[in-house]
Amino acid sequence: SQQGEEDPQALSIQEGENATMNCSYKTSINNLQWYRQNSGRGLVHLILIRSNEREKHSGRLRVTLDTSKKSSSLLITASRAADTASYFCATDDNTDKLIFGTGTRLQVFP
Amino acid sequence: DAGITQSPRHKVTETGTPVTLRCHQTENHRYMYWYRQDPGHGLRLIHYSYGVKDTDKGEVSDGYSVSRSKTEDFLLTLESATSSQTSVYFCASGIQGPGNTIYFGEGSWLTVV
Repeated sequence: SQQGEEDPQALSIQEGENATMNCSYKTSINNLQWYRQNSGRGLVHLILIRSNEREKHSGRLRVTLDTSKKSSSLLITASRAADTASYFCATDDNTDKLIFGTGTRLQVFP
Repeated sequence: DAGITQSPRHKVTETGTPVTLRCHQTENHRYMYWYRQDPGHGLRLIHYSYGVKDTDKGEVSDGYSVSRSKTEDFLLTLESATSSQTSVYFCASGIQGPGNTIYFGEGSWLTVV
């Protein structure tokens, strides 16, 4: 299975701190995406990084990709209580499939 | 937000009965996906579609079938529901392939008793 695995499975921090979560995957990919899921809701797209990119920013989000290690990290800076959610990475290869990882549950305390 | 609706949103059914979940999108997206979400497994791809009448299997397709007769509708059928199919099912769609953003519905909670 290509399914990615996020690390850690759960993360608790205080507001204002940075949150870093990692994703590892097994096969070569074309792109890697990060999604967010609030409790009981559908997933929402955050950011996409292509296999020829190493770093990408969007607001308080910073994503890195290391294809040699088959891993990616998502950094949320200056976290807020509203960032409390589960975060998933998703990868695609040369098929039409988009495969998700197991997710990191982030809890940000006020 | 993309217009993706799932129905029913909640269903309780008995083991051995057929169940159909419907996904409807108003975005004219070519690609549609069905995932199931279970604790410890994240989201797992069941089936996907890359056009009308064009579907393929995902990671966990056993016990499920799909149909797509119109661009806007993607149906997921559990031929004979089992307790292991108790899960939250998410539909998603995208205008292009998986290397682009996909948009999710709000989920269908299915309990098989």
